[in-house]
Amino acid sequence: EAGVAQSPRYKIIEKRQSVAFWCNPISGHATLYWYQQILGQGPKLLIQFQNNGVVDDSQLPKDRFSAERLKGVDSTLKIQPAKLEDSAVYLCASNPDGDTQYFGPGTRLTVL
Amino acid sequence: AQSVTQPDIHITVSEGASLELRCNYSYGATPYLFWYVQSPGQGLQLLLKYFSGDTLVQGIKGFEAEFKRSQSSFNLRKPSVHWSDAAEYFCAVGSGYSTLTFGKGTMLLVSP
Repeated sequence: EAGVAQSPRYKIIEKRQSVAFWCNPISGHATLYWYQQILGQGPKLLIQFQNNGVVDDSQLPKDRFSAERLKGVDSTLKIQPAKLEDSAVYLCASNPDGDTQYFGPGTRLTVL
Repeated sequence: AQSVTQPDIHITVSEGASLELRCNYSYGATPYLFWYVQSPGQGLQLLLKYFSGDTLVQGIKGFEAEFKRSQSSFNLRKPSVHWSDAAEYFCAVGSGYSTLTFGKGTMLLVSP
């Protein structure tokens, strides 16, 4: 069974630029999550989807971050414009049955 | 609000020695508890999970954890550490489809 796929793996941009990350969950997993992991900290949830609907986006900085999951499968997370403090690893996870989240390899973003 | 405390930021263990990583949680209901491991540049890999039943759970790579409700703890143990176990370990709490709350992680260093 293929795992959660994310791309790109690494991205370097300058502040005020835009960036987008892509995630393809494990086949059949209805629930998808985006987490932000700042260096030295545990992951923090940004947004949770159930199929193509948003379940929880209370911690998503909506003035600059957006996410979509149009067909209930893959998802895109966008930052526009990026700030220095957005430098982090962005992790995508999916959940098949309400019990366990499975994580992708992450995208490491560096904002200069 | 739910929270997870991992009191040790770094731990150094000699190869072949036993290991215990501490985790304390705060959660209003019956918790789902998880331990994940993260190697450098990698995503999070699930080691083990506790939902209910036997309070001693076995995981992959020879790890086990014990749930102690009275102490609000879920400590991770391994009887004999291998050099390949060097990584960062995260404890997390959640419930069903809900988001996970992670601790800040414990970095395990293995000395020869």
